[in-house]
Order: sequence, then structure tokens, then C-alpha cells
Amino acid sequence: NAGVTQTPKFQVLKTGQSMTLQCAQDMNHEYMSWYRQDPGMGLRLIHYSVGAGITDQGEVPNGYNVSRSTTEDFPLRLLSAAPSQTSVYFCASSLSYNTRNSNQPQHFGDGTRLSIL
Amino acid sequence: SQQGEEDPQALSIQEGENATMNCSYKTSINNLQWYRQNSGRGLVHLILIRSNEREKHSGRLRVTLDTSKKSSSLLITASRAADTASYFCATKNTGFQKLVFGTGTRLLVSP
Repeated sequence: NAGVTQTPKFQVLKTGQSMTLQCAQDMNHEYMSWYRQDPGMGLRLIHYSVGAGITDQGEVPNGYNVSRSTTEDFPLRLLSAAPSQTSVYFCASSLSYNTRNSNQPQHFGDGTRLSIL
Repeated sequence: SQQGEEDPQALSIQEGENATMNCSYKTSINNLQWYRQNSGRGLVHLILIRSNEREKHSGRLRVTLDTSKKSSSLLITASRAADTASYFCATKNTGFQKLVFGTGTRLLVSP
């Protein structure tokens, strides 16, 4: 198993450009999520999905869109990039989301380092 | 807002010494998890402790949980240079199933 795969690893954008960060997992995990990591801020949840066709907002969703058409893929779209979105973005997945299986660790990709000029 | 707060923010020790990191949180939890992040990499799950557990061991790791004080500690015994990384606690709250991360402790282990 490859685990959680994120592409690209690095990206530089100009303000106003749009792009999609890709995330794929091959573990048949129901739950997938996107975080951003900024210095001194820890990880903040952007959007998450509890299964194909279901997404919801996290702590910092503004300026980002997600969709979950398949179990494997969970792309994150920046609609109109702003310098404040310069960050490292991590995708994570876990087996299940529901209360009965809440004791599930999350598996992380290696991140996408995004700079917005 | 961040749920977990780690203490200290940075820790520097020699190989062979023990490293202790603390995490405080604010609300009731289902479980608390510790993750490690090596430079330039994603987070790796280390250990999970449920709210009804007080202590858990995994190899050189020992985690304690005090729900009355809303705090946890991670002890790494006989540390190695390879333990150099950032360590994060994360809580899964009751009635709020998302995982909430703290700001992390940067551990430097010198040979």
C-alpha cells in the first residue's frame, strides 16, 4: 500500500490563480481530511469527508473547495489564491469516522508546500 | 482555536536522556493521540490513549492521561538522535468527532 499520496510536493502560485491539490489513499478509508500547517499554529482543519459524496467544513474553510466523488480521492481546490494561503497542506485519512470506531489513528501524506506570491 | 497546548515548545537533550512533553486540553475527550513529525514529512501516529485509560506503553514511549486535570504527558526513554522531531498531541472530543491538534513540541536530541 502506498498509503496517502499528495501531489504536487511543491507549488508556487501568483495571487488570483486557482489550483487543485490532489490527495489519494489506497487503504479504503472512509474518513479523509485536509489540514494546513503554519508556524506556531499547529494543524488546522480545512475540510473533511466521512465518505464518498459527503463533505463538511472544518475550522478554516474559506477560500477552499473540496469534493469526494470516490472513496480514494479527496482533492482540495484553491479558488483564487491569496498570500494568506501560503502554507503546508496535509491530507489525512482514517478507517472510519463514526462513534463506534472513534479510536482510529489518522494517516498523513507528506504534504504540499504552497507559496502564493 | 487549538484544543491541545504542548509544553515545552522546544526541548533539547542528549542521547540517552529521557524526554517528557506535556499536553493540556479544554473539553471532554474520547481519546488523545500523539503524533511525530520529522522535518519535511507528514505526521506519523505514535500512540492512542482512551479516556478511560490512565497509562499506556509502546516500546520506549509511555503516555499518561489525567482527565481530571485535562492533561497528558509523553515520555520517551533513552532518547536517540533519530527521535529528533516535532511531537503533537491531538484530541478527539466527545460529541465532536474531528481530531484537534496542538501546536507541538520540537525535540532535539544531540549525539
